[in-house]
Amino acid sequence: TQLLEQSPQFLSIQEGENLTVYCNSSSVFSSLQWYRQEPGEGPVLLVTVVTGGEVKKLKRLTFQFGDARKDSSLHITAAQPGDTGLYLCAGDLNFNKFYFGSGTKLNVKP
Amino acid sequence: DAGVTQSPTHLIKTRGQQVTLRCSPKSGHDTVSWYQQALGQGPQFIFQYYEEEERQRGNFPDRFSGHQFPNYSSELNVNALLLGDSALYLCASSLGGGVVTQYFGPGTRLLVL
Repeated sequence: TQLLEQSPQFLSIQEGENLTVYCNSSSVFSSLQWYRQEPGEGPVLLVTVVTGGEVKKLKRLTFQFGDARKDSSLHITAAQPGDTGLYLCAGDLNFNKFYFGSGTKLNVKP
Repeated sequence: DAGVTQSPTHLIKTRGQQVTLRCSPKSGHDTVSWYQQALGQGPQFIFQYYEEEERQRGNFPDRFSGHQFPNYSSELNVNALLLGDSALYLCASSLGGGVVTQYFGPGTRLLVL
């Protein structure tokens, strides 16, 4: 059983569309991170959220941490082909021991 | 400033063999974590090393062991390889304490035949 459930697993959209990826758990995390991974490479950190209810923006990406620190969402506005990749959430449950979700594979078609 | 480096990039082994993977952390980082990423899955935490000691461990059997050297570089050893050990092995480095930022290496792709 995965500690962090991500949805959807796959997403194929047209350039310019908006999308939201969800990361849910029944566990409370001290922090939660979002990564993007491209084929043949390691994950690259996008953001870390720490406080319940926190919202962070990174250009067209908006990240939100749930009030109870059990869930998070990533919203992309006006997706571009360069956003294509595997998006992973990872929660810190116990002193920097990170549990990853299974990922959302995003394909943005030009 | 070199980021996290891992070697080798690819490796092919047969069942029952042993393998050693290596990781050099980002300059200034003192903590190394190892992850196993099966195809189509997210990374799974194997263990974490800090000050040459295993500080945290995930749900992996004793066949998986590691080491951290005084220069903070690290090795992951897997004994008695199984077909199911085929995966991308990722190393992440960070600076210990507080909310950490992990920097991942490109990984070692291990294929067990």
